[in-house]
Amino acid sequence: EPEVTQTPSHQVTQMGQEVILRCVPISNHLYFYWYRQILGQKVEFLVSFYNNEISEKSEIFDDQFSVERPDGSNFTLKIRSTKLEDSAMYFCASSEAEGGGYTFGSGTRLTVV
Amino acid sequence: AQSVTQLDSQVPVFEEAPVELRCNYSSSVSVYLFWYVQYPNQGLQLLLKYLSGSTLVKGINGFEAEFNKSQTSFHLRKPSVHISDTAEYFCAVSDPRRGGSYIPTFGRGTSLIVHP
Repeated sequence: EPEVTQTPSHQVTQMGQEVILRCVPISNHLYFYWYRQILGQKVEFLVSFYNNEISEKSEIFDDQFSVERPDGSNFTLKIRSTKLEDSAMYFCASSEAEGGGYTFGSGTRLTVV
Repeated sequence: AQSVTQLDSQVPVFEEAPVELRCNYSSSVSVYLFWYVQYPNQGLQLLLKYLSGSTLVKGINGFEAEFNKSQTSFHLRKPSVHISDTAEYFCAVSDPRRGGSYIPTFGRGTSLIVHP
């Protein structure tokens, strides 16, 4: 069964450093998403991406965040200057169409120290 | 904006017993509804979804959910649970019609703990 692949599975970074989280969505999917889950809290939407541009973003997705699809397969989330409160599990997801349910990756646990 | 309430943060149950995980959402207009499962150290996996049609939706692993528009609920049920069903379960809702968003809002999750 096709999978969404995320790397790395765990990343530790110093506060103020830049991090890039990587995702390989399912190859025939057109819509891509990033969500995050702070430990013990709910899954929160960050951003959606379609046709090489952001289609929707939440209040969490401020100027510190950016997304990119640098080639035909990867979808990345960059955090420019990490803060302690960015520590969370970050999930990438993709879907064939809007609204029908997503396929999620296993997540990247980001720890900012 | 939509909100999703999962009334129980934790549901302990014995193996082979039935279980119901409750979910209520805020809007009374037409919505898309989802249940996802998250096994330890894994991502979220879609269990089932309601987009339209029959209000009783069957999903994977023997789970089903019933959309109740008047009560704005989408409770998840399984008649007989297994140890392997121990996981975190998330209800999610999106409201794409009338100019709303397809992006689902997730509940806080319910931890299902199945005891032998």
